[in-house]
Amino acid sequence: AQSVSQHNHHVILSEAASLELGCNYSYGGTVNLFWYVQYPGQHLQLLLKYFSGDPLVKGIKGFEAEFIKSKFSFNLRKPSVQWSDTAEYFCAVGASGTYKYIFGTGTRLKVLA
Amino acid sequence: EAQVTQNPRYLITVTGKKLTVTCSQNMNHEYMSWYRQDPGLGLRQIYYSMNVEVTDKGDVPEGYKVSRKEKRNFPLILESPSPNQTSLYFCASREGADNSPLHFGNGTRLTVT
Repeated sequence: AQSVSQHNHHVILSEAASLELGCNYSYGGTVNLFWYVQYPGQHLQLLLKYFSGDPLVKGIKGFEAEFIKSKFSFNLRKPSVQWSDTAEYFCAVGASGTYKYIFGTGTRLKVLA
Repeated sequence: EAQVTQNPRYLITVTGKKLTVTCSQNMNHEYMSWYRQDPGLGLRQIYYSMNVEVTDKGDVPEGYKVSRKEKRNFPLILESPSPNQTSLYFCASREGADNSPLHFGNGTRLTVT
């Protein structure tokens, strides 16, 4: 069965620090990978996605993620976080050719000004 | 403006009183889905619909019903709500291709007493 693990549940950083949030999935077939962000009191919005091609994908607001197939990972990175990045981040995996999405449990990021 | 609209935003009800949460999208998306979000558990899929009159169970369908009589609408029905259905609910839609991202509604916070 598909599963998604986000190892960091809570992360606190100071502004300008670098960010890396881990995401590992369990599925043997082809996958589509997503990172979503949920700002306080808001709905989820797409940060970036990967489904084929260059394994390093760039998203909005300076975020990027790298798909490492051999490690079943899709970690999210940002070189320098801002206070406005305070939010909850969700990794999601869709098995190609199916209609199911599995979300990770989320990582709450707090950035201190 | 492309959007997914859920109503109501907040709902407090009592055990056993049937309720419906509406969801409508204006993007002509084939796929629609309902999720519940609970602390520490992330988003879990309740039901999804691949097209009009085609629905299927997600990971936590017990206690919920859905219907898809029109492409734009996908209501979530709780025939006999119970306190363990107190949660934050999100409706989402996407294009038919499985590498398309989800577009989320603003959420419905349901409390069942």
